[in-house]
Amino acid sequence: AQSVTQPDIHITVSEGASLELRCNYSYGATPYLFWYVQSPGQGLQLLLKYFSGDTLVQGIKGFEAEFKRSQSSFNLRKPSVHWSDAAEYFCAVGPPTSGTYKYIFGTGTRLKVLA
Amino acid sequence: DGGITQSPKYLFRKEGQNVTLSCEQNLNHDAMYWYRQDPGQGLRLIYYSQIVNDFQKGDIAEGYSVSREKKESFPLTVTSAQKNPTAFYLCASTLGWNTGELFFGEGSRLTVL
Repeated sequence: AQSVTQPDIHITVSEGASLELRCNYSYGATPYLFWYVQSPGQGLQLLLKYFSGDTLVQGIKGFEAEFKRSQSSFNLRKPSVHWSDAAEYFCAVGPPTSGTYKYIFGTGTRLKVLA
Repeated sequence: DGGITQSPKYLFRKEGQNVTLSCEQNLNHDAMYWYRQDPGQGLRLIYYSQIVNDFQKGDIAEGYSVSREKKESFPLTVTSAQKNPTAFYLCASTLGWNTGELFFGEGSRLTVL
C-alpha cells in the first residue's frame, strides 16, 4: 500500500542548531515529493518539492531536502533553526502515477525550538 | 491575489444538524480536495474533484457530501451521519493531475456541542 512515514512525532532543538526531519515513503514508482509547514490553526504552506532531476532541492525559509531513491527517503534539513521555525511539518507524495489524484500525507512532525 | 478562501473559520454545531463549509478558489485550478485533520493523524482525504460536475470519495467519505457545480467552488456538507465531526477541515486545489503541488486554504474548525 502507498504510504508516507514520519517516524518522529515531536522534535526539540535549540535555536541555531541544525535540523533534520525524516520522511520515508512506500510507492510503486518514484512519486512527486513535498514538504509542507503548518502553524497552529492555519493551512499548509509548501516548503519545497521534488519532481525530478537534482536530488537536493532548495526551498523557502532556508530549508532543503534530499531525495534518496535507494532509501525511499526525502528528509528535510535546515543548517540553523530559528525560533520562528516552530511548527508542524508534513511530508507528502503525489500525484500517483497510476492516474488518480490522491495525495498522501505523513502524520506530521511537531518541531519545538528552545531559545 | 489568487488563493483559496474557506469560510467560516470557526463553526459550532449542535448534534443532529448538518453544516456546510465553503471553499472558493480563484486560481483557475481544475482539481479540488477536502481533508480532515485530527491531532496525530495527519491529513485524511474526504472527497476530491478532478473537474466540474465530477467528484470521488476519499478515504473517509462516510457522513460527508460535496458538490462541484462551478470550477471555483467545492462546498463540503458535514451531515448528522458523521459520528465524530469535530475536527479541522482543510480545502486544497491543484491545477490538475501531474502538474504540481496542492495549494491550501486557511482551514475551518468545526466543533460539535
